[in-house]
Amino acid sequence: EVQLLESGGGLVQPGGSLRLSCAASGFSFSSYAMTWVRQAPGKGLEWVSAIDPSGGGTYYADSVRGRFTISRDNSKNTLYLRMSSLRAEDTALYYCARGLDIVATRPSCDYWGQGTLVTISS
Amino acid sequence: QSVLTQPPSASGTPGQRVTISCSGSSSNLGSNTVNWYQQVPGTAPRLLISSNDQRPSGVPDRFSGSKSGTSGSLAISGLRSEDEADYYCASWDDSLNGFAVFGGGTHLTVL
Repeated sequence: EVQLLESGGGLVQPGGSLRLSCAASGFSFSSYAMTWVRQAPGKGLEWVSAIDPSGGGTYYADSVRGRFTISRDNSKNTLYLRMSSLRAEDTALYYCARGLDIVATRPSCDYWGQGTLVTISS
Repeated sequence: QSVLTQPPSASGTPGQRVTISCSGSSSNLGSNTVNWYQQVPGTAPRLLISSNDQRPSGVPDRFSGSKSGTSGSLAISGLRSEDEADYYCASWDDSLNGFAVFGGGTHLTVL
């Protein structure tokens, strides 16, 4: 059974940093692109970042480029999102999702975690 | 305001067929495929349609998708009460560095 379990969310002051993790199981992690999607309270879905299976290709939304870094450790079956210079508008539930295949530039995600909540507030 | 435009709401009665539109531009839907997600409030999104018209395993054939030019469409036939949810389209945009985009979402009410 495919499982994605996010962790690392919490309350952080503006300007602070946080690292989210997504532990994957039940599939060959190194064979799939992975994506982070967020959802602010009461709002719609917002694509954040994606990474190809090897980690060599990474992609970012303009709203987070330069502040967030996506990475993966295929030996640990874990996806990461390093977030810095956090702003109030980064407050959201952050989902980790598996791509349908190796293509990171195709937002087709067939498995999703339950999300980890990030709150940016002083 | 999202790069992909969806109507904020739609409605139908049980058994009816409803469609939800997704309008984009040449840099996204005009050159890339459209995907559709369903999200019941309080739960994670679920992939309904990939690559314009492909249903992942387990998605009922009541759900179908299409794309023409810079517009995509999700159709739900034989509407059921459990279809009441938010629906999002998504695509890749080739502008600048390239990025994925979601539509603003459409809330479907089953009357």
